[in-house]
Amino acid sequence: GQSLEQPSEVTAVEGAIVQINCTYQTSGFYGLSWYQQHDGGAPTFLSYNGLDGLEETGRFSSFLSRSDSYGYLLLQELQMKDSASYFCAVSTGTASKLTFGTGTRLQVTL
Amino acid sequence: DAGVIQSPRHEVTEMGQEVTLRCKPISGHNSLFWYRQTMMRGLELLIYFNNNVPIDDSGMPEDRFSAKMPNASFSTLKIQPSEPRDSAVYFCASSFLAGGPKTQYFGPGTRLLVL
Repeated sequence: GQSLEQPSEVTAVEGAIVQINCTYQTSGFYGLSWYQQHDGGAPTFLSYNGLDGLEETGRFSSFLSRSDSYGYLLLQELQMKDSASYFCAVSTGTASKLTFGTGTRLQVTL
Repeated sequence: DAGVIQSPRHEVTEMGQEVTLRCKPISGHNSLFWYRQTMMRGLELLIYFNNNVPIDDSGMPEDRFSAKMPNASFSTLKIQPSEPRDSAVYFCASSFLAGGPKTQYFGPGTRLLVL
């Protein structure tokens, strides 16, 4: 089966940079995705890494190291609206399903 | 596109009643997923379909839960009989079955409360 670990909560101040880590154990690893979910909302796709390295999308970046079974999401220039839960998710082989982590609740403070 | 559509958005029912949740995936997507989210258990995959065929239903809690996808544009998740522990937010998501990120697009969810 698959397992993913990420911190349950992170707090950071507005304007700062925060990194949310994700470690995984899985067979047939294909890629690592990140989703954001605001309270009362639905998960929305943020970023994907299929290969080692950094992917940048605006203020958000995601990193993957396949050899370390590790990835992270980097959020820069934090804004209050970034307060949300962030989930890492792995895809395996040709299967279309994702296995989600338990989520990291990010609180951005003034 | 309107995105993934779910109905109803909210459902309050009494224990023992049948509950039917509905989902319309994004046009052109050929994978559909049903998730349940609670504070205690997080986001759980219940079942998913590829090209209208159920592929993995190992997450379905028990026989009280059933899901169908009669065509590419419609799916239902049924709970019969419902129990208070089924109270949760149920999400439907769809994606395009292909290589790459396999990005899933989630509907707004159905908030179910079983009294």
